[in-house]
Amino acid sequence: GAVVSQHPSWVICKSGTSVKIECRSLDFQATTMFWYRQFPKQSLMLMATSNEGSKATYEQGVEKDKFLINHASLTLSTLTVTSAHPEDSSFYICSARGQGEGWGNNQPQHFGDGTRLSIL
Amino acid sequence: AQSVTQLGSHVSVSEGALVLLRCNYSSSVPPYLFWYVQYPNQGLQLLLKYTTGATLVKGINGFEAEFKKSETSFHLTKPSAHMSDAAEYFCAVSAPNYGGSQGNLIFGKGTKLSVKP
Repeated sequence: GAVVSQHPSWVICKSGTSVKIECRSLDFQATTMFWYRQFPKQSLMLMATSNEGSKATYEQGVEKDKFLINHASLTLSTLTVTSAHPEDSSFYICSARGQGEGWGNNQPQHFGDGTRLSIL
Repeated sequence: AQSVTQLGSHVSVSEGALVLLRCNYSSSVPPYLFWYVQYPNQGLQLLLKYTTGATLVKGINGFEAEFKKSETSFHLTKPSAHMSDAAEYFCAVSAPNYGGSQGNLIFGKGTKLSVKP
């Protein structure tokens, strides 16, 4: 149980293109989803937290207009990298915490397999 | 504010040897602590977690960790390493949901575990 599917797993595109990454909870309803960015050989850096039906909360230094997050349903959140440039190339990982897993932050986040984004 | 320090970015052990990955945390409130494993080009998989109760926590794949408040540590151990244990390991801390905290995870920089045959 608690499977999170992230799509696509790898994308290569030209500079200036907008790229959408989907994060789906397959067998549970995710009230909260998290988007992370991971640079090579480094840890995960939280970009934003999204709750279903409300605006995402972005971490300091993350451009809201650059990284658009939509959490329209309890099973889907999307991250759109707008007008992507080579410096946006990275490994993006989403995670989800379920609605039925109990209240509070002691419940684990379930991670997708990540999306490797390469901007040429 | 919370933070996590993982000592040693790379640990190498022989197959069958003890695995010890170190994690120290800083938190102004009683923390929730997690260990995750990441295989190449994949997301993170939860190994184990500590929230309250028993301080020795057992996880998947034979791993366990002990919460030591006096040492602010949550080291990960496994008695006998297997080749399949080679991966990146991340320690993370989160805060209880006081005041509506989102429960964001703060990750350490990770420790890459290599297992020699």
